[in-house]
Amino acid sequence: AQSVSQHNHHVILSEAASLELGCNYSYGGTVNLFWYVQYPGQHLQLLLKYFSGDPLVKGIKGFEAEFIKSKFSFNLRKPSVQWSDTAEYFCAVGGSSNTGKLIFGQGTTLQVKP
Amino acid sequence: GAGVSQSPRYKVAKRGQDVALRCDPISGHVSLFWYQQALGQGPEFLTYFQNEAQLDKSGLPSDRFFAERPEGSVSTLKIQRTQQEDSAVYLCASSLMGDEQFFGPGTRLTVL
Repeated sequence: AQSVSQHNHHVILSEAASLELGCNYSYGGTVNLFWYVQYPGQHLQLLLKYFSGDPLVKGIKGFEAEFIKSKFSFNLRKPSVQWSDTAEYFCAVGGSSNTGKLIFGQGTTLQVKP
Repeated sequence: GAGVSQSPRYKVAKRGQDVALRCDPISGHVSLFWYQQALGQGPEFLTYFQNEAQLDKSGLPSDRFFAERPEGSVSTLKIQRTQQEDSAVYLCASSLMGDEQFFGPGTRLTVL
């Protein structure tokens, strides 16, 4: 079955701490991978995406993610978080040959303390 | 430019009522998706349109759920005889060619 698992449900960090959010997926075939973010009171926005090529992808606001095919993982990282990174983060996977339908993880709530 | 818009933003329905949720995608976007997001969960796929054609409705939870996009632009998700378990945020997303999806703000449906 196709699924996405986000290991951390709620993460609390102090400003300037480093961040790594785990994401593992189960999907048959070639995948496209995404991280979306939802800031308080706002809609889902794309942080970064991986379709092919360099497995280390850089997104907006200093975020990056690494696709490790052998581990079926696409973890999100940021070297130094800010209070404004407080949000909910969703990992999602879609098949590269299908309609674009996305399967989402259940999300990780990140709280950054000033 | 305008993003994806959805209306109403909030809807309260009594159990058994029918509701209609509207999505206005980004102009020119071919693909349109509906997702359901329960509290504390990630969005779950409901259905997908390419222009006016509904190509995938595998995520619709029951035959009470119906979606249409008659002119390949605006889409409506209709839920008949609403039940309490239908309470959720309904998200619409559009994309140019099925790659990056742009999400609307969602409609929060509460069924009493």
